[in-house]
Amino acid sequence: AQSVSQHNHHVILSEAASLELGCNYSYGGTVNLFWYVQYPGQHLQLLLKYFSGDPLVKGIKGFEAEFIKSKFSFNLRKPSVQWSDTAEYFCAVNSYYNAGNMLTFGGGTRLMVKP
Amino acid sequence: AAGVIQSPRHLIKEKRETATLKCYPIPRHDTVYWYQQGPGQDPQFLISFYEKMQSDKGSIPDRFSAQQFSDYHSELNMSSLELGDSALYFCASSPRQGAYNEQFFGPGTRLTVL
Repeated sequence: AQSVSQHNHHVILSEAASLELGCNYSYGGTVNLFWYVQYPGQHLQLLLKYFSGDPLVKGIKGFEAEFIKSKFSFNLRKPSVQWSDTAEYFCAVNSYYNAGNMLTFGGGTRLMVKP
Repeated sequence: AAGVIQSPRHLIKEKRETATLKCYPIPRHDTVYWYQQGPGQDPQFLISFYEKMQSDKGSIPDRFSAQQFSDYHSELNMSSLELGDSALYFCASSPRQGAYNEQFFGPGTRLTVL
């Protein structure tokens, strides 16, 4: 079974600080990787995804993530955060072998950006 | 662009009552997924449907059932509600089954069981 770990549960940053949120997964086969953002009281929105190809993926709102297969990691980064980035961030995985395409989510990281 | 529609957005029920949650996928999406997100928790996969057939099953209690109809909308039926069922229930849809398809999430139904 696949699992996802997000090591930072709560992160507090000041505006313009750089952000890196960790995500590690456990599954030995081919995986697809996602980062979703959930703003307060809202639904999950896709920030970026990795299926194959260039391991450095650029998403919306200036976010990017790097897939490092040897480390089973898919960390999310943003060079300069804004107050509007305050939200909860979920890393998620599905695997090609799983025909049902279910997503397995990490525990989430709650980011607070201080103005 | 059309999004996933869920109804109702909020629902309050008493213990042991039943509830029905509805999900209308994005047009031309034939795959629907249900997730449950408890307070302060990550979303947990419940069940999915592809072309009106159940395609995968996660941690869905036996008290819950779901189906997908001919117009691809889906309903999650929950019986004998318990306090622990209070959660945000998300529906997601994708254009077809397969690991390479992004899932688009609806706004969720917030169920409160008193």
